[in-house]
Amino acid sequence: EVQLVESGGGLVQPGGSLRLSCAASGFTFSSYEMNWVRQAPGKGLEWVSYISNTGSTIYYADSVKGRFTISRDNAKNSLYLQMNSLRAEDTAVYHCAREGGSDRFDYWGQGTLVTVSS
Amino acid sequence: AIQMTQSPSSLSASVGDRVTITCRASQDIRNDLGWYQQKPGKAPKLLIYDASNLQSGVPSRFSGTGSGTDFTLIISSLQPEDFATYYCLQEYNYPRTFGQGTKVEIK
Repeated sequence: EVQLVESGGGLVQPGGSLRLSCAASGFTFSSYEMNWVRQAPGKGLEWVSYISNTGSTIYYADSVKGRFTISRDNAKNSLYLQMNSLRAEDTAVYHCAREGGSDRFDYWGQGTLVTVSS
Repeated sequence: AIQMTQSPSSLSASVGDRVTITCRASQDIRNDLGWYQQKPGKAPKLLIYDASNLQSGVPSRFSGTGSGTDFTLIISSLQPEDFATYYCLQEYNYPRTFGQGTKVEIK
């Protein structure tokens, strides 16, 4: 069974940093591209970042470019999102999502809540 | 970035109704579009990929049509478990962009 489990969320002050993790199981992690998607409270879905299966290709949303860094460790079946210079508008539930065939986001984690507040 | 305009933003419907949700892309995205369902407090769930392909395990009352810039999600006979928020997602290029969402509520 495919499972994606996020962790690392919490309360952080504006300007602070946080590192999110996504532990994958039930599939060959190194064969799949991965994404982070977030959802602010009461708002819609917002794509955040993409990483190819080898980590050689990476994309970011303009809203996080220069502040967030996506990475992966295929030996540990894990995806990461390093978030620096956090702002109140980064407050959201962050989901990792597997990109299956045809670029579909076929499996999602339940998410981890990041709250940026003083 | 490609803009995805989804409508309506919300609708009220009864069990058994036929429901139609539309999504318009700001440029040609071929058939690179997915539809996702999200219930409160839950992760989104893939329903349709490549505009018209039903994801494994998804009931056949869900269907998708369209290509280019105009796309439609159809629920042929609304069931109680279908009350949720639905999003389209363009999978043509990066940055990926979602529609604003359509909340389907009970009439």
